[in-house]
Amino acid sequence: DVVLTQTPVAQPVTLGDQASISCRSSQSLVHSNGNTYLEWYLQKPGQSPQLLIYKVSNRFSGVPDRFIGSGSGSDFTLKISRVEPEDLGVYYCFQATHDPYTFGAGTKLELK
Amino acid sequence: EVQLVETGGGLVQPGRSLKLSCVASGFTFNNYWMSWTRQAPGKGLEWVASITNSGGSTYYPDSVKGRFTISRDNAQNTLYLQMNSLRSEDTATYYCTRWSKGWFAYWGQGTLVTVSS
Repeated sequence: DVVLTQTPVAQPVTLGDQASISCRSSQSLVHSNGNTYLEWYLQKPGQSPQLLIYKVSNRFSGVPDRFIGSGSGSDFTLKISRVEPEDLGVYYCFQATHDPYTFGAGTKLELK
Repeated sequence: EVQLVETGGGLVQPGRSLKLSCVASGFTFNNYWMSWTRQAPGKGLEWVASITNSGGSTYYPDSVKGRFTISRDNAQNTLYLQMNSLRSEDTATYYCTRWSKGWFAYWGQGTLVTVSS
């Protein structure tokens, strides 16, 4: 199975700062159809997860442009510029290139 | 507005069965693949099952293959997850999700399944 390694496990931030989360895959996430199915989800406290980014860098409907996904192959990053209070929670990367689909273990974005 | 409402969770003994339901609204249900994803208490997320829009094909990870069955009733806009031979490690909140062939676009609020004697 593909293993997604997220770092850091926890990211203490000050509101207004930039935050960066890394997701590294145990193998390339480039699908045979040429797409890279690497997504990012945010789970706010007490809520269901919500989709932020799909196919590496595409923001889902309604997601603010301060969320920026990037990367290729097996190395991906989610950057959040100007962190706001509603951005706090646990971020998960996810891959749907290889069966079975797998999630990273999560990165908790928390206040310093 | 897309809505996914799961029901059917509860306390069940190891080895027994349970069936979850998810009623969908706000979109044309039979146009979309659907999935179930779960989260053990205080833990991360795990994909559990997916089904094509027609219901003709289903997909599972090895952890549930042969024990869980995903199905759908397009006339009733309802997704199901039949869970047999339940184990303590199946204890989790189960989320119904709309699957867009690569990502979970929408999530329900979840239903908690507790497997314990």
